[in-house]
Amino acid sequence: NAGVTQTPKFRVLKTGQSMTLLCAQDMNHEYMYWYRQDPGMGLRLIHYSVGEGTTAKGEVPDGYNVSRLKKQNFLLGLESAAPSQTSVYFCASRSGTPLEAFFGQGTRLTVV
Amino acid sequence: ELKVEQNPLFLSMQEGKNYTIYCNYSTTSDRLYWYRQDPGKSLESLFVLLSNGAVKQEGRLMASLDTKARLSTLHITAAVHDLSATYFCAVASNFGNEKLTFGTGTRLTIIP
Repeated sequence: NAGVTQTPKFRVLKTGQSMTLLCAQDMNHEYMYWYRQDPGMGLRLIHYSVGEGTTAKGEVPDGYNVSRLKKQNFLLGLESAAPSQTSVYFCASRSGTPLEAFFGQGTRLTVV
Repeated sequence: ELKVEQNPLFLSMQEGKNYTIYCNYSTTSDRLYWYRQDPGKSLESLFVLLSNGAVKQEGRLMASLDTKARLSTLHITAAVHDLSATYFCAVASNFGNEKLTFGTGTRLTIIP
């Protein structure tokens, strides 16, 4: 049982480059989330999805785009990376009933 | 906009002592989550509190929820070194109930 899997685990980008982070869950969960974690700031919600084909903005959506074409996958895109996007990114998913969210192992992204 | 505040942000305590971490939130909610994070790792679910007056216990940790006061507490009894970690609370907004907003975390260090 894989749970929530994030790809890649580590990445270094140059300023202006683009990339896509993949989050895959095998629990048939409706809700999926992308967070970023920075020192002293906890987890901040970037975008989230309440079902296949739907997305919504969180607290810090600027500079990111997302897509949820399949229920099990939630993609986070950076079109033109900036050093301010250096962070650890976590994906999470949960079911429609109010149970806990399950987190992926994180992606450490450095933009130079 | 839902705000979640934790205090203290840092806590250093001796083994064997008791202490409490507080989580305050700004708008109505009846769903609160506690997570643990070890350095460099993902988040692990500890408790899900779903109603006013809910209390849950696991080992030396006990969590409670007071929805009227918009307050949750995480109580640590007779702390041991293995409990050293960062603890986060997260609140689900009642409106739509989709978003999980996290506190900034409490870094707990248990000193032998």
